[in-house]
Amino acid sequence: KAGVTQTPRYLIKTRGQQVTLSCSPISGHRSVSWYQQTPGQGLQFLFEYFSETQRNKGNFPGRFSGRQFSNSRSEMNVSTLELGDSALYLCASSLVGTGTNTEAFFGQGTRLTVV
Amino acid sequence: DQQVKQNSPSLSVQEGRISILNCDYTNSMFDYFLWYKKYPAEGPTFLISISSIKDKNEDGRFTVFLNKSAKHLSLHIVPSQPGDSAVYFCAANNAGNMLTFGGGTRLMVKP
Repeated sequence: KAGVTQTPRYLIKTRGQQVTLSCSPISGHRSVSWYQQTPGQGLQFLFEYFSETQRNKGNFPGRFSGRQFSNSRSEMNVSTLELGDSALYLCASSLVGTGTNTEAFFGQGTRLTVV
Repeated sequence: DQQVKQNSPSLSVQEGRISILNCDYTNSMFDYFLWYKKYPAEGPTFLISISSIKDKNEDGRFTVFLNKSAKHLSLHIVPSQPGDSAVYFCAANNAGNMLTFGGGTRLMVKP
Protein backbone atom coordinates (compact mmCIF):
# COMPACT_ATOMS: atom_id res chain seq x y z
CA LYS A 1 0.00 0.00 0.00
CA ALA A 2 1.54 3.29 -1.10
CA GLY A 3 2.11 5.94 1.53
CA VAL A 4 1.49 9.67 1.41
CA THR A 5 3.26 11.23 -1.56
CA GLN A 6 4.31 14.86 -1.63
CA THR A 7 5.75 16.68 -4.62
CA PRO A 8 8.11 18.28 -5.14
CA ARG A 9 10.56 17.29 -2.41
CA TYR A 10 12.59 20.47 -2.68
CA LEU A 11 11.76 23.91 -3.99
CA ILE A 12 13.54 27.25 -4.13
CA LYS A 13 11.48 30.36 -4.76
CA THR A 14 12.06 34.10 -4.71
CA ARG A 15 10.33 36.52 -2.37
CA GLY A 16 7.02 37.70 -3.81
CA GLN A 17 6.46 34.61 -5.93
CA GLN A 18 3.78 32.03 -5.30
CA VAL A 19 4.12 28.29 -4.91
CA THR A 20 1.88 25.24 -5.14
CA LEU A 21 2.62 22.02 -3.29
CA SER A 22 0.91 18.73 -3.96
CA CYS A 23 -0.11 15.81 -1.75
CA SER A 24 -1.56 12.42 -2.66
CA PRO A 25 -2.98 10.67 0.41
CA ILE A 26 -3.03 6.98 1.16
CA SER A 27 -5.63 5.22 -0.97
CA GLY A 28 -8.99 5.31 0.77
CA HIS A 29 -8.08 8.17 3.09
CA ARG A 30 -10.40 11.14 2.74
CA SER A 31 -8.88 13.58 5.21
CA VAL A 32 -5.78 15.56 4.27
CA SER A 33 -4.07 17.97 6.64
CA TRP A 34 -1.15 20.31 6.09
CA TYR A 35 1.51 21.28 8.62
CA GLN A 36 4.45 23.66 8.61
CA GLN A 37 7.65 22.82 10.44
CA THR A 38 10.20 25.51 11.24
CA PRO A 39 13.05 25.50 13.77
CA GLY A 40 11.50 28.33 15.74
CA GLN A 41 7.81 27.37 15.75
CA GLY A 42 7.94 23.60 15.53
CA LEU A 43 5.14 21.69 13.83
CA GLN A 44 2.09 23.86 13.28
CA PHE A 45 -1.27 22.97 11.80
CA LEU A 46 -2.23 24.86 8.64
CA PHE A 47 -5.57 23.39 7.53
CA GLU A 48 -7.50 20.19 6.98
CA TYR A 49 -9.65 19.09 4.08
CA PHE A 50 -12.27 16.38 4.05
CA SER A 51 -14.42 15.52 1.06
CA GLU A 52 -13.20 18.61 -0.80
CA THR A 53 -14.19 20.96 2.04
CA GLN A 54 -11.90 22.84 4.38
CA ARG A 55 -12.94 21.71 7.85
CA ASN A 56 -10.32 23.14 10.15
CA LYS A 57 -7.91 26.03 9.81
CA GLY A 58 -4.89 27.01 11.82
CA ASN A 59 -3.62 30.45 12.65
CA PHE A 60 -1.94 31.37 9.37
CA PRO A 61 -2.49 34.38 7.11
CA GLY A 62 -4.72 34.26 4.07
CA ARG A 63 -1.68 33.90 1.82
CA PHE A 64 -1.82 30.24 2.73
CA SER A 65 -4.64 28.39 1.01
CA GLY A 66 -5.46 24.93 -0.14
CA ARG A 67 -7.94 22.74 -1.88
CA GLN A 68 -8.87 19.10 -2.23
CA PHE A 69 -9.99 17.29 -5.32
CA SER A 70 -12.61 14.58 -5.70
CA ASN A 71 -9.91 11.89 -5.62
CA SER A 72 -8.77 13.27 -2.22
CA ARG A 73 -5.52 14.67 -3.62
CA SER A 74 -4.76 18.06 -2.14
CA GLU A 75 -2.79 21.12 -3.09
CA MET A 76 -1.50 23.90 -0.93
CA ASN A 77 -0.73 27.35 -2.26
CA VAL A 78 1.31 30.14 -0.73
CA SER A 79 1.14 33.53 -2.44
CA THR A 80 3.47 36.51 -2.09
CA LEU A 81 6.19 34.43 -0.51
CA GLU A 82 8.16 35.84 2.42
CA LEU A 83 11.54 34.73 3.72
CA GLY A 84 9.80 33.42 6.85
CA ASP A 85 7.80 30.96 4.76
CA SER A 86 10.94 28.86 4.35
CA ALA A 87 10.03 25.61 6.05
CA LEU A 88 9.31 21.91 5.69
CA TYR A 89 5.68 21.54 4.62
CA LEU A 90 4.13 18.25 5.63
CA CYS A 91 0.96 16.62 4.45
CA ALA A 92 -0.86 14.01 6.51
CA SER A 93 -3.72 11.73 5.56
CA SER A 94 -6.28 10.05 7.80
CA LEU A 95 -8.91 7.45 7.14
CA VAL A 96 -12.00 9.02 8.63
CA GLY A 97 -13.50 12.36 9.45
CA THR A 98 -15.05 14.41 12.22
CA GLY A 99 -15.91 12.91 15.55
CA THR A 100 -13.50 10.04 15.45
CA ASN A 101 -9.83 9.86 16.15
CA THR A 102 -7.49 7.98 13.94
CA GLU A 103 -3.82 8.10 13.24
CA ALA A 104 -2.49 10.62 10.75
CA PHE A 105 0.19 9.35 8.38
CA PHE A 106 2.68 11.85 7.05
CA GLY A 107 4.45 12.26 3.76
CA GLN A 108 8.15 13.04 3.49
CA GLY A 109 7.44 16.73 3.11
CA THR A 110 8.38 19.51 0.72
CA ARG A 111 11.36 21.62 1.74
CA LEU A 112 10.61 25.18 0.59
CA THR A 113 13.38 27.75 0.60
CA VAL A 114 12.51 31.38 -0.09
CA VAL A 115 15.42 33.58 -1.16
CA ASP B 1 0.05 29.44 24.35
CA GLN B 2 1.71 26.04 24.22
CA GLN B 3 -1.01 23.50 24.78
CA VAL B 4 1.35 20.55 24.43
CA LYS B 5 4.80 20.68 25.98
CA GLN B 6 7.80 18.41 25.92
CA ASN B 7 10.05 19.91 28.56
CA SER B 8 13.14 17.86 27.80
CA PRO B 9 14.71 18.91 24.50
CA SER B 10 17.09 15.97 24.58
CA LEU B 11 17.63 12.61 26.26
CA SER B 12 20.59 10.27 26.13
CA VAL B 13 20.36 6.60 27.15
CA GLN B 14 22.48 3.49 26.85
CA GLU B 15 21.53 0.74 24.45
CA GLY B 16 19.38 -1.88 26.15
CA ARG B 17 18.11 0.50 28.83
CA ILE B 18 14.69 2.12 29.08
CA SER B 19 13.97 5.46 27.40
CA ILE B 20 11.21 7.55 28.96
CA LEU B 21 9.94 10.54 27.04
CA ASN B 22 7.48 12.88 28.71
CA CYS B 23 4.74 15.19 27.51
CA ASP B 24 2.36 17.55 29.31
CA TYR B 25 -0.78 19.18 28.01
CA THR B 26 -3.12 21.89 29.22
CA ASN B 27 -6.26 21.49 27.13
CA SER B 28 -8.66 19.14 28.88
CA MET B 29 -10.62 18.78 25.62
CA PHE B 30 -7.86 16.65 24.10
CA ASP B 31 -9.07 13.08 23.93
CA TYR B 32 -6.55 11.31 21.73
CA PHE B 33 -2.79 11.33 21.96
CA LEU B 34 -0.14 10.16 19.56
CA TRP B 35 3.62 9.74 19.45
CA TYR B 36 5.65 10.25 16.31
CA LYS B 37 9.29 9.64 15.50
CA LYS B 38 11.03 11.96 13.09
CA TYR B 39 14.33 12.03 11.22
CA PRO B 40 15.68 15.28 9.73
CA ALA B 41 14.09 16.36 6.44
CA GLU B 42 11.52 13.55 6.62
CA GLY B 43 7.92 13.38 7.70
CA PRO B 44 6.99 12.09 11.17
CA THR B 45 6.40 8.36 11.44
CA PHE B 46 3.48 7.23 13.58
CA LEU B 47 4.53 5.09 16.56
CA ILE B 48 1.67 4.58 18.98
CA SER B 49 -1.50 6.27 20.18
CA ILE B 50 -3.82 6.24 23.16
CA SER B 51 -7.39 7.28 23.72
CA SER B 52 -8.30 9.28 26.80
CA ILE B 53 -10.49 6.43 28.03
CA LYS B 54 -7.38 4.31 28.55
CA ASP B 55 -4.34 4.77 30.73
CA LYS B 56 -1.96 2.47 28.93
CA ASN B 57 -1.33 1.15 25.44
CA GLU B 58 1.43 -1.22 24.45
CA ASP B 59 2.90 -2.14 21.08
CA GLY B 60 6.05 -4.21 21.12
CA ARG B 61 8.88 -2.22 22.66
CA PHE B 62 6.71 0.91 22.91
CA THR B 63 4.29 1.69 25.73
CA VAL B 64 2.39 4.91 26.21
CA PHE B 65 0.98 5.88 29.61
CA LEU B 66 -1.67 8.52 30.12
CA ASN B 67 -2.40 10.26 33.43
CA LYS B 68 -5.45 12.39 32.77
CA SER B 69 -5.61 13.97 36.21
CA ALA B 70 -2.05 15.22 35.80
CA LYS B 71 -2.52 15.94 32.08
CA HIS B 72 0.65 13.98 31.44
CA LEU B 73 1.66 11.23 29.08
CA SER B 74 4.86 9.34 28.62
CA LEU B 75 6.40 7.02 26.06
CA HIS B 76 8.52 4.13 27.27
CA ILE B 77 10.89 2.34 24.91
CA VAL B 78 12.28 -0.93 26.22
CA PRO B 79 14.91 -2.00 25.35
CA SER B 80 16.31 1.06 23.60
CA GLN B 81 18.23 0.48 20.39
CA PRO B 82 20.61 2.77 18.46
CA GLY B 83 18.07 2.86 15.61
CA ASP B 84 15.65 4.55 18.00
CA SER B 85 17.79 7.70 17.90
CA ALA B 86 15.55 10.41 16.44
CA VAL B 87 13.33 13.30 17.50
CA TYR B 88 10.11 12.20 19.18
CA PHE B 89 6.98 14.33 19.09
CA CYS B 90 3.87 13.90 21.13
CA ALA B 91 0.65 15.20 19.62
CA ALA B 92 -2.88 15.69 20.88
CA ASN B 93 -6.24 15.70 19.13
CA ASN B 94 -9.80 16.57 20.10
CA ALA B 95 -12.36 14.81 17.93
CA GLY B 96 -10.95 16.13 14.71
CA ASN B 97 -7.90 15.87 12.55
CA MET B 98 -6.08 18.92 13.85
CA LEU B 99 -3.02 17.72 15.72
CA THR B 100 -1.30 19.95 18.25
CA PHE B 101 2.34 18.98 18.59
CA GLY B 102 4.85 19.35 21.37
CA GLY B 103 8.26 20.80 20.63
CA GLY B 104 9.97 17.42 20.39
CA THR B 105 12.62 15.52 22.35
CA ARG B 106 15.81 14.37 20.68
CA LEU B 107 16.62 10.84 21.83
CA MET B 108 20.16 9.54 21.49
CA VAL B 109 20.75 5.87 22.18
CA LYS B 110 24.41 5.09 22.69
CA PRO B 111 25.78 1.67 21.71
